[in-house]
Amino acid sequence: GENVEQHPSTLSVQEGDSAVIKCTYSDSASNYFPWYKQELGKGPQLIIDIRSNVGEKKDQRIAVTLNKTAKHFSLHITETQPEDSAVYFCAASISYAGGTSYGKLTFGQGTILTVHP
Amino acid sequence: DAGVIQSPRHEVTEMGQEVTLRCKPISGHNSLFWYRQTMMRGLELLIYFNNNVPIDDSGMPEDRFSAKMPNASFSTLKIQPSEPRDSAVYFCASKGSGNTIYFGEGSWLTVV
Repeated sequence: GENVEQHPSTLSVQEGDSAVIKCTYSDSASNYFPWYKQELGKGPQLIIDIRSNVGEKKDQRIAVTLNKTAKHFSLHITETQPEDSAVYFCAASISYAGGTSYGKLTFGQGTILTVHP
Repeated sequence: DAGVIQSPRHEVTEMGQEVTLRCKPISGHNSLFWYRQTMMRGLELLIYFNNNVPIDDSGMPEDRFSAKMPNASFSTLKIQPSEPRDSAVYFCASKGSGNTIYFGEGSWLTVV
């Protein structure tokens, strides 16, 4: 089955700096890659996702890049703020034709991001 | 939209007792997932349903765990008998026709 590796496990940055989290996946059939943010005591919440027919996607201060050949994808957060502090998870799954899937996500191990004021 | 609703939010039970966790998915969603989160193993998919039918239960750790989805708006995850190693946060999640999976707030289970 799919295996997703995520690095680093912890990341500490100063407010205003950029943060980068990297993930690799093993199953070349995976074509949908979401990123989730989990705050303390809450469930994971989708922040951005990318499909394999796209190399990069941006949404304000966050962006995701995908390298299908190397089977890795990354999350980039610019101008970090203290409220960005949370655990971030990458995931991978196979999305079937039509843009939908059963959604069997395989998650990375998570990255604890701390943004210091 | 109320989101995915889970109950109880917290449960402390003694080893050997039966535990039932409940989930109400987002209305109109046809896929439902149960995940378990621990420090050691991260987020693990236990089972998922599509249109109330279990599609993949390969993540269910052992026969002590069972899950049901009697209708489109309700699912349960049962552990019987519970053991201390079952202590974890159990998340229910649901998905509609798109790709986004929406998670509930979780049920924090402690087995002593």
